[in-house]
Amino acid sequence: DIQMTQSPSSLSASVGDRVTITCRASQSISNFLNWYQQKAGKAPKVVIYAASSLQGGVPSRFSGSGSGTDFTLTISSLQPEDFATYYCQQSDSLPWTFGQGTKVEFK
Amino acid sequence: QVQLQESGPGLVKPSQTLSLTCTVSGGSISRGHNYWSWIRQPAGKGLEWIGRIHSSGSANYNPSLKNRVSISADTSKNHFSLRLTSVTAADTAVYFCARDEVRALDYWFDPWGQGTLVTVSS
Repeated sequence: DIQMTQSPSSLSASVGDRVTITCRASQSISNFLNWYQQKAGKAPKVVIYAASSLQGGVPSRFSGSGSGTDFTLTISSLQPEDFATYYCQQSDSLPWTFGQGTKVEFK
Repeated sequence: QVQLQESGPGLVKPSQTLSLTCTVSGGSISRGHNYWSWIRQPAGKGLEWIGRIHSSGSANYNPSLKNRVSISADTSKNHFSLRLTSVTAADTAVYFCARDEVRALDYWFDPWGQGTLVTVSS
């Protein structure tokens, strides 16, 4: 199985901050990497697919980059509704696997 | 738009079988190249992919669960189902169903059901 490792596990930030979350794969996954946002008690929702493609309806302050083994999710200016847990997920090979999550908390 | 809804017992006894159904509305599970997945999340923990089914009957499972899990699809009812046998407390989790959206070779989960909590306890 491909192991996905996110860092940090949690971070504290303020509204307006630039936030970057990193995801590393245990082997190359090309650009087969997705990012999800999950709010408490809710199902995850995709924000970025194929490493850098913005899901429809997702604000442009979200962006993704990377290829191979190293990927980043960036929120350019954190908004109150962005406080959530973010997960990366690889879709290069089965079984699909997720990172352990990064919780973005209010400072 | 496509919506998914999980249903099934919220309490299962240890060693018994967990059975859940995901009903799809707003679109047919038979249309297109989509697979349909089950994913679970223990309280306070991360996400684990369980497996997926195509309307053709082709299925893939997480090897960590392979001997206990089966997923099937009923195109006449436009739903797909999960069976997990010999459950233990470690199977207590919120279970989500989701569509494997696909574009070229890219797959991602969208949309998701709201999730249903299954507790394994006597």
